[in-house]
Amino acid sequence: QQQVKQSPQSLIVQKGGISIINCAYENTAFDYFPWYQQFPGKGPALLIAIRPDVSEKKEGRFTISFNKSAKQFSLHIMDSQPGDSATYFCAVKSADYKLSFGAGTTVTVRA
Amino acid sequence: NAGVMQNPRHLVRRRGQEARLRCSPVKGHSHVYWYRQLPEEGLKFMVYLQKENIIDESGMPKERFSAEFPKEGPSILRIQQVVRGDSAAYFCASSFAGTANTEAFFGQGTRLTVV
Repeated sequence: QQQVKQSPQSLIVQKGGISIINCAYENTAFDYFPWYQQFPGKGPALLIAIRPDVSEKKEGRFTISFNKSAKQFSLHIMDSQPGDSATYFCAVKSADYKLSFGAGTTVTVRA
Repeated sequence: NAGVMQNPRHLVRRRGQEARLRCSPVKGHSHVYWYRQLPEEGLKFMVYLQKENIIDESGMPKERFSAEFPKEGPSILRIQQVVRGDSAAYFCASSFAGTANTEAFFGQGTRLTVV
């Protein structure tokens, strides 16, 4: 069974626009919520991560918003650039080692 | 400062052959994880190993698949008698410790094609 549901499957945004990707989970035992960025032919790379004791974390143009009561978290990419075109995966992790990934969102930024 | 190294990057096998995928973790990391990614899907956990021990193989098919992480040398994911459904990208990740807060670094993957 899928531990985390990610949407949308793909999105297209104009350069300078905002990309928003959403993830929802069920298991309240998860306590680590990372986002990974993957370029074609490469492995996933950690982009930004959040713990459930904060509602928002920002690193440069990337922001995670976390809603513990709704069991949802989202990635916002501000001022999207063509170099941001990639596949983004949310993931969840409980107090062990196992990452469970969403199905991925392919983001295309048009110049 | 090398990251996780996987080889080969691409592997083509005929049905029934064996595939051996290698993963050298980040220097100093003793925790290795293998994930499989099917086209247009997320990564699925397969197995978690520490040096000389399999900690969790709950995501690995019971037959034909095996993994090891010897005291010396890389971790090996072995697929015997490959079938077309084994075609996928296999990613290895390593971490310093096996806890929730510890970042796992991923290699570039091995893309297995079974013909």
